[in-house]
Amino acid sequence: AQSVTQLDSHVSVSEGTPVLLRCNYSSSYSPSLFWYVQHPNKGLQLLLKYTSAATLVKGINGFEAEFKKSETSFHLTKPSAHMSDAAEYFCVVSAFNAGKSTFGDGTTLTVKP
Amino acid sequence: DAEITQSPRHKITETGRQVTLACHQTWNHNNMFWYRQDLGHGLRLIHYSYGVQDTNKGEVSDGYSVSRSNTEDLPLTLESAASSQTSVYFCASSVNRDSFQFFGPGTRLTVL
Repeated sequence: AQSVTQLDSHVSVSEGTPVLLRCNYSSSYSPSLFWYVQHPNKGLQLLLKYTSAATLVKGINGFEAEFKKSETSFHLTKPSAHMSDAAEYFCVVSAFNAGKSTFGDGTTLTVKP
Repeated sequence: DAEITQSPRHKITETGRQVTLACHQTWNHNNMFWYRQDLGHGLRLIHYSYGVQDTNKGEVSDGYSVSRSNTEDLPLTLESAASSQTSVYFCASSVNRDSFQFFGPGTRLTVL
């Protein structure tokens, strides 16, 4: 079994300040973890992925995430927010033995000028 | 370039009608998925397929069916559309069961 919890449904930051979107997961397997981004009225786009290699993963647009097995967390960060980062972000856990991916409920990121 | 497409992009139908949403991918992926996205629920899995002739129920499969006759296509059928099925539907595909998924652009379905 697997599940994922995104701890904040909404996060608001000012442009140029750091971004932190929190994600906790549980899995009976050795999971792969992903972050996707969805801009308004668009499909989902892969932001970054963890697949049991380096625990600090770098993605597109300056985002990165750190896999912490002891804390079962995979938080998404960015040093400096940009207006174009305003979107919905989904944390996803997946495992071959589970046969499918499980999505978190999403975090809406608002970036204020 | 390989891609995943969905049609139609927008559909308005009436309660009780049968509706089929198309999904076509040119990645040659064995794994394909259908999700619905509703406010407050994130993405919920409807059906998925690991290959031709294989289909499996997801967490919200009631009222929906799929069939997989070839690698490229996984059409989603609403047997008798209900207002509760008004949603945005996304199709996705992946090379492995646990790898990241490529998503289509979505179909916005309204059932009146």
